[in-house]
Amino acid sequence: LAKTTQPISMDSYEGQEVNITCSHNNIATNDYITWYQQFPSQGPRFIIQGYKTKVTNEVASLFIPADRKSSTLSLPRVSLSDTAVYYCLVGDIGGYNKLIFGAGTRLAVHP
Amino acid sequence: EAQVTQNPRYLITVTGKKLTVTCSQNMNHEYMSWYRQDPGLGLRQIYYSMNVEVTDKGDVPEGYKVSRKEKRNFPLILESPSPNQTSLYFCASSLRWGREGPYEQYFGPGTRLTVT
Repeated sequence: LAKTTQPISMDSYEGQEVNITCSHNNIATNDYITWYQQFPSQGPRFIIQGYKTKVTNEVASLFIPADRKSSTLSLPRVSLSDTAVYYCLVGDIGGYNKLIFGAGTRLAVHP
Repeated sequence: EAQVTQNPRYLITVTGKKLTVTCSQNMNHEYMSWYRQDPGLGLRQIYYSMNVEVTDKGDVPEGYKVSRKEKRNFPLILESPSPNQTSLYFCASSLRWGREGPYEQYFGPGTRLTVT
């Protein structure tokens, strides 16, 4: 099963773009990459998911290079409310399977 | 309102006293899962269920049991809790797995368990 590696923490300022990279060297052909956001004392919340190239929704973009061994979550123009832990997750589309979360990246956005 | 509920939200118990944490979802989801979260370790999957009567082990199943007798409920059972099971527990559900990848997981509010 593919494991993921993320930076432990990052700091940014309001209005900046933040890019968080996740490494998943052993990703399998059927694996999708998903990102979740978690605020203190709350359950994680889905942000975005992709398989290859680029995916964009109203809150974030996800960049996946051709070899799929890493992915980058991009948060445009962050605000203080984006301070949270961000998890990269790799999961199999082929059927039901274990889900493995990375250790998470603690993002702190400063005024 | 679509949601995942867990009970209790907080529980303090003693070593060896059997306990059950309930999880229920009202979205008719097929897939349900339990996670524990510990400082510095992120979220680790305990058990998951693909549908009624179908369960399988996640990464850290030791000391836990689950059952899925109804689609909406997925209780987590600790037969003989120990202090190393002190943790924050989350239940999650998702519609199913599909050709477009795993569906979004919806997480419950969490249950903070302390075993003394």
